Amino acid sequence: KAGVTQTPRYLIKTRGQQVTLSCSPISGHRSVSWYQQTPGQGLQFLFEYFSETQRNKGNFPGRFSGRQFSNSRSEMNVSTLELGDSALYLCASSFNGEGTEAFFGQGTRLTVV
Amino acid sequence: GNSVTQMEGPVTLSEEAFLTINCTYTATGYPSLFWYVQYPGEGLQLLLKATKADDKGSNKGFEATYRKETTSFHLEKGSVQVSDSAVYFCALISGGSNYKLTFGKGTLLTVNP
Repeated sequence: KAGVTQTPRYLIKTRGQQVTLSCSPISGHRSVSWYQQTPGQGLQFLFEYFSETQRNKGNFPGRFSGRQFSNSRSEMNVSTLELGDSALYLCASSFNGEGTEAFFGQGTRLTVV
Repeated sequence: GNSVTQMEGPVTLSEEAFLTINCTYTATGYPSLFWYVQYPGEGLQLLLKATKADDKGSNKGFEATYRKETTSFHLEKGSVQVSDSAVYFCALISGGSNYKLTFGKGTLLTVNP
């Protein structure tokens, strides 16, 4: 069974640009969540999608957005990048997001210069 | 709100030593509890889980017991190996309409030969 796939693995962007990250969940999983990991703040929840609906959103500015497609694949977008957006962005998939275990992808390392 | 507190370390042990990483939590309802492990440059891997009080999760020699009376989920291993060197995260997800994992800050474990 294929795991969670995130693309790309690495990205370097310039301040002010925008970026789109992609996540393909495990087959049959309908919940996809996104987390930002930084040395200072640790793992912080961005948002969660289930059947194309956002059910929860973390405390991030509106520059961070996401969506989920009918095949459960998800994308997150960050507009007007800031240096502080440099982080490892992790996607997690689970069957329903309600207490079953979540499986993570390898992450996308975003560097903003 | 939900929170997880774990010993931050770093923890340095010799091979074959006994490992304990403490984790306590605050949550509404009856959360599911998890330990995740992160190797350098990788995403998070689920190590073990417990979904109700007194459950014991176990995997690869690691164990943790869900203690509701002390709101704890301490990770233990009887004999660590060099290959166990990684960052360990305690996490929970609670019921209701939350749909997000709450993580501790992580504990860096280094095992020396």
